[in-house]
Order: sequence, then structure tokens, then C-alpha cells
Amino acid sequence: QSVLTQPPSVSGAPGQKVTISCTGGTSNIGAGYEVNWYQQVPGRAPQVLISRDNNRPSGVPDRFSGSKSGSSASLAITGLQAEDEAEYYCQSYDTSLSGWVFGGGTKVTVL
Amino acid sequence: QVQLVQSGAEVKKPGASVKVSCKTSGYSFTDYYIHWVRQAPGQGLDWMGIFNPSGGGTTYAHNFKGRITMTWDSSTTTVFMELSSLKFEDTAVYYCARGGTYAPATHWGQGTLVTVSS
Repeated sequence: QSVLTQPPSVSGAPGQKVTISCTGGTSNIGAGYEVNWYQQVPGRAPQVLISRDNNRPSGVPDRFSGSKSGSSASLAITGLQAEDEAEYYCQSYDTSLSGWVFGGGTKVTVL
Repeated sequence: QVQLVQSGAEVKKPGASVKVSCKTSGYSFTDYYIHWVRQAPGQGLDWMGIFNPSGGGTTYAHNFKGRITMTWDSSTTTVFMELSSLKFEDTAVYYCARGGTYAPATHWGQGTLVTVSS
């Protein structure tokens, strides 16, 4: 049972927009700790996609965006492409656990 | 360029210990923390703990306290993670990653598969 809750899967046709939610609580996202998002393709290490709630590292396409409100965060992918098929994880800091917490991951399927 | 290179795959028996290394290069070793994250087959990411190369401070996840030890060799800029009393459910890919307490892990090792099998 992950501390941060994500939907197991989302899907969309090429060109569409999909959104992945990440729900936490008062000891992590709700406490104001920033949310980072990672993309992982099978057999590879995760790569940071969004940092500090809504910042895209250099090289990440601008069709990826992050937002946060209250105890939840979201990752949006606009103009979905076949190469976006992957697993996506949210991550934050939890003050009760004194460490990082991850969401359970969301599998994005491009129809 | 920043690189984190991990040691090779391991097969261990239940009750044994495993020590995974993470050789860092391309940046100032003491400027960034090292996280350890594991991923069981078909499962999500599980944070194990964080190591501060500037002084050797550690914070371990509650699930691993008493079984995990993180150490380092500053002469080779290598960080080690040792997990003891291995169980079948410790079978996973173990990753080291460079990051901060709150800042994300921007660079990851390639992962080390640890298989616990009798």
C-alpha cells in the first residue's frame, strides 16, 4: 500500500490529453512538500520528468506538465505520443516517515 | 558527465547478506546525497534510505531499519548498501540515485538485480 495514491492505469489516443493524479496527505503533499514525477520504461531506471511540482528539466518535452493543489498533484500529458507509453511515478517527502514516499505507479497506454 | 555505475547481479540464499556498490563520477562527491530505491518484479518503487557523503549521515526507511547499512569509500567515491537477513521477498532490482532531501533523483545507476533463492 503506497503512501501516495495513483490510478493503476490511464489510456488515450495519440494526440489526446491524459492526466495522472497523485493523492497524498497532511504529512507529505498537504504539508507543502514538493512533488517530483518520474517516467520509467521497462528494463530501464526511472528518469525525472517533473521536479518541484511543475518544473521540467532540460530535454523534457513541454507536453508534460505538473500541478499541485492541497494534498494532491497531477501530471498532464498533452498531445499524447506512442513513445509516452511507460510507467509514471509521483514522489514526495513525508515528514512522519522522515523520507521519500512514492506513488504506486500509473501505466500509460497509447491506444 | 555524471555517472552512477552499480555492481553486478547477485544470487543469495535466505538469511544471507548482500552488498551492492554504486561508483559515482563526474561531480563533487560530497555535494549530493545518494538514495537507494528498490523495485520488486512487476512492482513499484520502494524508497530504502538516503546517505549523505559529506559526513556519512544516514536515514533509513522504517521497513528496513535493523537490516540495512549504507557506507562509503570517499577515496573511490563509491557508496555501498548492505541488506542483511535476506528473504525471498527481497528479490528486486536495487537502484542508487543522486538527489537531495527534497530535490528529485536526477541521475540513477543502471540497477542491480538481487535474487534471493534457496
